[in-house]
Amino acid sequence: GQSLEQPSEVTAVEGAIVQINCTYQTSGFYGLSWYQQHDGGAPTFLSYNALDGLEETGRFSSFLSRSDSYGYLLLQELQMKDSASYFCAVAGNTPLVFGKGTRLSVIA
Amino acid sequence: DGGITQSPKYLFRKEGQNVTLSCEQNLNHDAMYWYRQDPGQGLRLIYYSQIVNDFQKGDIAEGYSVSREKKESFPLTVTSAQKNPTAFYLCASSSTQGPETQYFGPGTRLLVL
Repeated sequence: GQSLEQPSEVTAVEGAIVQINCTYQTSGFYGLSWYQQHDGGAPTFLSYNALDGLEETGRFSSFLSRSDSYGYLLLQELQMKDSASYFCAVAGNTPLVFGKGTRLSVIA
Repeated sequence: DGGITQSPKYLFRKEGQNVTLSCEQNLNHDAMYWYRQDPGQGLRLIYYSQIVNDFQKGDIAEGYSVSREKKESFPLTVTSAQKNPTAFYLCASSSTQGPETQYFGPGTRLLVL
């Protein structure tokens, strides 16, 4: 089976940096995806890591360590619009398996 | 404009009634998925289809049924056997080359009267 762990809630100040961690247990691991979901909206794809290391896309970066079964999403220069839920998801030989999500609240 | 559409946005179900949620995509994706999301929870996979006329059960398929007669369409029926259907239902699609990147529709919120 597959399981993922991520913090349920994180609060950070506008303009700051926040890191959302994700640990996973799985067989047949291909990579780790991250999705953002605003309240009442649909999830949108942010990033995918198949290899170890850091991938940067603008203010957002994602990291993967396959040996540690661990990844994180890094959000820099936080803005109020970044307040949302963030899901990590494991890609393997079955459809994506999603974590329960981390609710990020950005405060002034 | 390519994307995924779901209808209706809100749906009300009476006890003992079957209801069908629509999902259409024009992204030319082979794979389509249905998820259920409960408040404060992640996405749980109900059914998925990787090719026309074929579909597989996900983690919580009981009380649900699907069909995939066309590549563009993947309707979900919530049957009367689903005793707790109140949830947010999300449809998604992906290419077979990039299953890690799923594109989601706007969702249907199902409420029980």
